[in-house]
Amino acid sequence: NAGVIQTPRHKVTGKGQEATLWCEPISGHSAVFWYRQTIVQGLEFLTYFRNQAPIDDSGMPKERFSAQMPNQSHSTLKIQSTQPQDSAVYLCASSLDRNYAEQFFGPGTRLTVL
Amino acid sequence: GQQVQQSPASLVLQEGENAELQCNFSSTATRLQWFYQHPGGRLVSLFYNPSGTKHTGRLTSTTVTNERRSSLHISSSQTTDSGTYFCAIDQNQGGSAKLIFGEGTKLTVSS
Repeated sequence: NAGVIQTPRHKVTGKGQEATLWCEPISGHSAVFWYRQTIVQGLEFLTYFRNQAPIDDSGMPKERFSAQMPNQSHSTLKIQSTQPQDSAVYLCASSLDRNYAEQFFGPGTRLTVL
Repeated sequence: GQQVQQSPASLVLQEGENAELQCNFSSTATRLQWFYQHPGGRLVSLFYNPSGTKHTGRLTSTTVTNERRSSLHISSSQTTDSGTYFCAIDQNQGGSAKLIFGEGTKLTVSS
């Protein structure tokens, strides 16, 4: 079991460019979560999917951010027209699809917007 | 919405001393996890413990649900325990499984 896999581990973009982050959940886990971590804001929830369907996107910035889960083996988080304030570590987590399931986190993607 | 407060914000120990980390939350929680994060490292789940007491190695987590508090006890601390410990709790609204995190307790253990 390789755990949650996230790629790339580091990404540097210029202001205004697009960034796509990838997450591969643990095999058999059908709930996938996205969070981000910054020094100032700490750990914040962004969005999550269950069985590939979006369930809660209440933490997603309304503009420029989108997430998809096209199949059970990966999810993507896309940020259009990146801004310096988007710089953060973006974390993906997965869990079994049952009530009260433990979440397991990937290593994160460190996004730096210059 | 749910608020999570952790104390202390930082803690410095000598190797061998015990640590008690606290987590208080504003609303009833049905999911509660304790995580450890080494600087630059991933979040590692230590306990899933929405109620009761759980042990693993030198770690003990105790959650008193109706008092909206949880604690993480580390016995005989080691330098490798240094890092940040986070408590995370669900929103307990609408069935969402999202976690709300506290600001963490930064633990430093010196030899």
